[in-house]
Amino acid sequence: QKEVEQNSGPLSVPEGAIASLNCTYSDRGSQSFFWYRQYSGKSPELIMFIYSNGDKEDGRFTAQLNKASQYVSLLIRDSQPSDSATYLCAVDHTGGFKTIFGAGTRLFVKA
Amino acid sequence: DAGVIQSPRHEVTEMGQEVTLRCKPISGHDYLFWYRQTMMRGLELLIYFNNNVPIDDSGMPEDRFSAKMPNASFSTLKIQPSEPRDSAVYFCASSLGSRGDGELFFGEGSRLTVL
Repeated sequence: QKEVEQNSGPLSVPEGAIASLNCTYSDRGSQSFFWYRQYSGKSPELIMFIYSNGDKEDGRFTAQLNKASQYVSLLIRDSQPSDSATYLCAVDHTGGFKTIFGAGTRLFVKA
Repeated sequence: DAGVIQSPRHEVTEMGQEVTLRCKPISGHDYLFWYRQTMMRGLELLIYFNNNVPIDDSGMPEDRFSAKMPNASFSTLKIQPSEPRDSAVYFCASSLGSRGDGELFFGEGSRLTVL
């Protein structure tokens, strides 16, 4: 079992729709959870982090964490073509600073 | 402030040659990470340092790979001898660790092609 699992996609949504990206992790000791966005040919950049169970909203983005289910998700509201990228879920291993990434989900937003 | 700086951006070499990738982290960051990204395996953590000390190198594929951090502003990842399966994009990243929120700041990557 991989430490951080994501559906590789591609996930295709029309412009203006909600995109839902999901991630599961195996280490119950993980404390910090991150979503990074990576455009083709570029390096990953942080979108959001979340530490506590529940929802965290930042503009059009909402991160959701359920530690009991070992599940993290990212919702993108009012999706735009510029949101088309690969979204990487990342988890700090055993509550430390060793950050493990999932394989990423490719998102396409159709104009 | 400049971000994480990596060099070279692109490297094409022949199998068996030595490859050295370089990284300058953001000033003041305590943690430095080396990742490798391929289509098949995604973004894999190779090794990370805290205050110039290697903390976890369990992701280093084999003895052909070595990494050093002689001071707070410089790190190298060396592959000797290189093999075609080492072809990938190698990213260096740095972070503030406990003084921050855990965000990793990535360099632009070094794209390695081994023929």
